[in-house]
Amino acid sequence: AQSVTQLGSHVSVSEGALVLLRCNYSSSVPPYLFWYVQYPNQGLQLLLKYTTGATLVKGINGFEAEFKKSETSFHLTKPSAHMSDAAEYFCAVSEDSSASKIIFGSGTRLSIRP
Amino acid sequence: DAGITQSPRHKVTETGTPVTLRCHQTENHRYMYWYRQDPGHGLRLIHYSYGVKDTDKGEVSDGYSVSRSKTEDFLLTLESATSSQTSVYFCAISVPPVGNEQFFGPGTRLTVL
Repeated sequence: AQSVTQLGSHVSVSEGALVLLRCNYSSSVPPYLFWYVQYPNQGLQLLLKYTTGATLVKGINGFEAEFKKSETSFHLTKPSAHMSDAAEYFCAVSEDSSASKIIFGSGTRLSIRP
Repeated sequence: DAGITQSPRHKVTETGTPVTLRCHQTENHRYMYWYRQDPGHGLRLIHYSYGVKDTDKGEVSDGYSVSRSKTEDFLLTLESATSSQTSVYFCAISVPPVGNEQFFGPGTRLTVL
């Protein structure tokens, strides 16, 4: 069965510092992988996704993630944090190309220190 | 904007009362989903639909039922609300052929006293 583990429920970085949010997945077949962001009192919005092809995926707001099959990881990074990046981030995995189910991680809350 | 609305946006109810949440989409997408969001659990799938009158259970379906009589509407019903169903509920759709990504509504905050 597919599953997602996000390491660290809360990450705090200084403005301008590197952001690294960790995600490991379990899947019996090549997965589809996603990062979503949720700002306070809003729904989730897609940051980026990996389906096939290039393993380094670029998303919105300067975020990117790298699919590493050997490590079963899909970590999210941003070179320089902005105050506006403060939000909750969810990693998700799907095995089903017909879009029936996505499994979400428990989320990582990102705080940015001035 | 995937054209998803949820109603009501906030609701407070009492234990044992029935509650129906509505998700409405404007673009006739086939797949629709109901999730609940709780601290430390991320989003958990309650039920989903793959067409009119076609629904299936998700991870946490006990105590919930759904109906989809029209493509654009997906209703979530709590037949007899309990305090453990206090949560934020999100509706989502998926939009082929862009892959499996899902687009989310703004959420409904439900409090069961």
